[in-house]
Amino acid sequence: DAMVIQNPRYQVTQFGKPVTLSCSQTLNHNVMYWYQQKSSQAPKLLFHYYDKDFNNEADTPDNFQSRRPNTSFCFLDIRSPGLGDAAMYLCATGRDIQGETQYFGPGTRLLVL
Amino acid sequence: GESVGLHLPTLSVQEGDNSIINCAYSNSASDYFIWYKQESGKGPQFIIDIRSNMDKRQGQRVTVLLNKTVKHLSLQIAATQPGDSAVYFCAEASGGNKLTFGGGTRVLVKP
Repeated sequence: DAMVIQNPRYQVTQFGKPVTLSCSQTLNHNVMYWYQQKSSQAPKLLFHYYDKDFNNEADTPDNFQSRRPNTSFCFLDIRSPGLGDAAMYLCATGRDIQGETQYFGPGTRLLVL
Repeated sequence: GESVGLHLPTLSVQEGDNSIINCAYSNSASDYFIWYKQESGKGPQFIIDIRSNMDKRQGQRVTVLLNKTVKHLSLQIAATQPGDSAVYFCAEASGGNKLTFGGGTRVLVKP
């Protein structure tokens, strides 16, 4: 089945140790999004790729970076994780940005020790 | 800035009863709305969407109502089941902008 896949589902890292989260999609969607979601809060958009064009949200810290080597894969890199970066990280895809449904993956829960 | 918010953070409903989850939005230019269901430890799951040229749309056991006059969106779940227990998010978009999520409502279904 076509879907959005995130690996790993749970990630433990140490304070300051770089970590990479992965997302892949079989939907062939143009847009891939990364969200951060903390407990009992709504997802917060970090950035998105429209095809190869990267679009950063104004309030996303520089500590968060992303790569999209091809249509199917997108990575979230956290260069120096802090305790406040512990959260669920959600990847989503969409055919287009304008008024389109976004399809979410299961998320990766990040724990920072 | 523009925002989307929910009236009730937690809704307790008896199994078999109907549930109504409300959402207020402030951007009068919003033209696309989605309801997502998020179960514990999972990503948001698409439930139903509606565009601003409609005021009602029905799915399987769910109905979304849009009142543009008062900028209000609601999700009705018929015959609520234990599997409906989750957090529900509304989200809106205007023109070419990305989705803006509301704060979420937790639905607890009592047996």
